[in-house]
Amino acid sequence: GESVGLHLPTLSVQEGDNSIINCAYSNSASDYFIWYKQESGKGPQFIIDIRSNMDKRQGQRVTVLLNKTVKHLSLQIAATQPGDSAVYFCAETANNNDMRFGAGTRLTVKP
Amino acid sequence: DSGVTQTPKHLITATGQRVTLRCSPRSGDLSVYWYQQSLDQGLQFLIQYYNGEERAKGNILERFSAQQFPDLHSELNLSSLELGDSALYFCASSLWTDLGGNTIYFGEGSWLTVV
Repeated sequence: GESVGLHLPTLSVQEGDNSIINCAYSNSASDYFIWYKQESGKGPQFIIDIRSNMDKRQGQRVTVLLNKTVKHLSLQIAATQPGDSAVYFCAETANNNDMRFGAGTRLTVKP
Repeated sequence: DSGVTQTPKHLITATGQRVTLRCSPRSGDLSVYWYQQSLDQGLQFLIQYYNGEERAKGNILERFSAQQFPDLHSELNLSSLELGDSALYFCASSLWTDLGGNTIYFGEGSWLTVV
């Protein structure tokens, strides 16, 4: 499929290593955050979410950390696999308004 | 498979033409969202409908319009197309209009190429 976002920040990791993808947001009123994964030629796929009343949430092999003080969100992927190679977007919403997406980070997993 | 269906998957058309993109939301979802994704703009929110009514507008051009029908499917109409309109157009759906804790699920997108 076609690829989008050719000028995205990139992260390259070795298979089996942990990955950390970062996202900064600017709206201090943002109260709900989601990480999406987008593989080439596909739509964004929900990975994990977190509300602003939490600072950490864990899923299967993924952890999202939220630091409201510095308006920073991160996605940690444990034991990164080749299938994790994709573009990762953070998204935020404030007071149930429109969801805004970050520019995305391209994760490449080397075998 | 997210359950959101978009057609067509690929579309090539000439400048000045008009196209319609179609979306069927996940079963039971009342909200439909349209996003545009281009190489240099990332994911841009265009418009949202909830149960047939427009709820929110983002960076949608006046040449573009959308609607949500009583059966909750939605159409995005793009007219007087320009080369810069070439992009992936995503439809997404969610159960509620309240986004706090309400995840939106994306379709596979419609790839529009304007030549």
